[in-house]
Amino acid sequence: NAGVTQTPKFQVLKTGQSMTLQCAQDMNHEYMSWYRQDPGMGLRLIHYSVGAGITDQGEVPNGYNVSRSTTEDFPLRLLSAAPSQTSVYFCASSFGTSPTNEQFFGPGTRLTVL
Amino acid sequence: AQTVTQSQPEMSVQEAETVTLSCTYDTSESDYYLFWYKQPPSRQMILVIRQEAYKQQNATENRFSVNFQKAAKSFSLKISDSQLGDAAMYFCAYRRGDSNYQLIWGAGTKLIIKP
Repeated sequence: NAGVTQTPKFQVLKTGQSMTLQCAQDMNHEYMSWYRQDPGMGLRLIHYSVGAGITDQGEVPNGYNVSRSTTEDFPLRLLSAAPSQTSVYFCASSFGTSPTNEQFFGPGTRLTVL
Repeated sequence: AQTVTQSQPEMSVQEAETVTLSCTYDTSESDYYLFWYKQPPSRQMILVIRQEAYKQQNATENRFSVNFQKAAKSFSLKISDSQLGDAAMYFCAYRRGDSNYQLIWGAGTKLIIKP
């Protein structure tokens, strides 16, 4: 199993550009989520999904869109990048939604918006 | 709203010795879970240990153990026999026990292991 994979590992954008961060898992996990990690702060939840076709907003959803057309993939779209979106982005997945289900994290994408 | 506080931005310990990382949290819930995650330089988050609030017994995983003080809302991580591979950022996280899926994270503690 590859686990949770994210592409790209690094990305530089100009203000106003759009892009999609890719996340895939091969563990048949129902639950997937996106976090951002900023210096001196813990991770913050952007969006999450409890299954194909179902998504919901987390703590900081503004400026981001998600969709979940398959169990395996959960892409994060930046509609019009802003410098405030400079961050490290993590995708995570778990088998179910219970707190006892361990969340597995991808290696992260470091995004810089100029 | 729930909050998680890690008051030690950085800690250092001599190899083979014991170190304790602090975490406090604030919640009015009675059903919740607490976690410690490790983030090595590779950036990938790895679950270290989990504690269910309804369990009085402190969780242990090999060299890692917690001191869970529910009344004081404290959840510290003890690492025994520290190894060079333990060097990482350590994050404390909280999650409600109901259908709210959000993990609330502390700001992290950087652990340095001195050889």
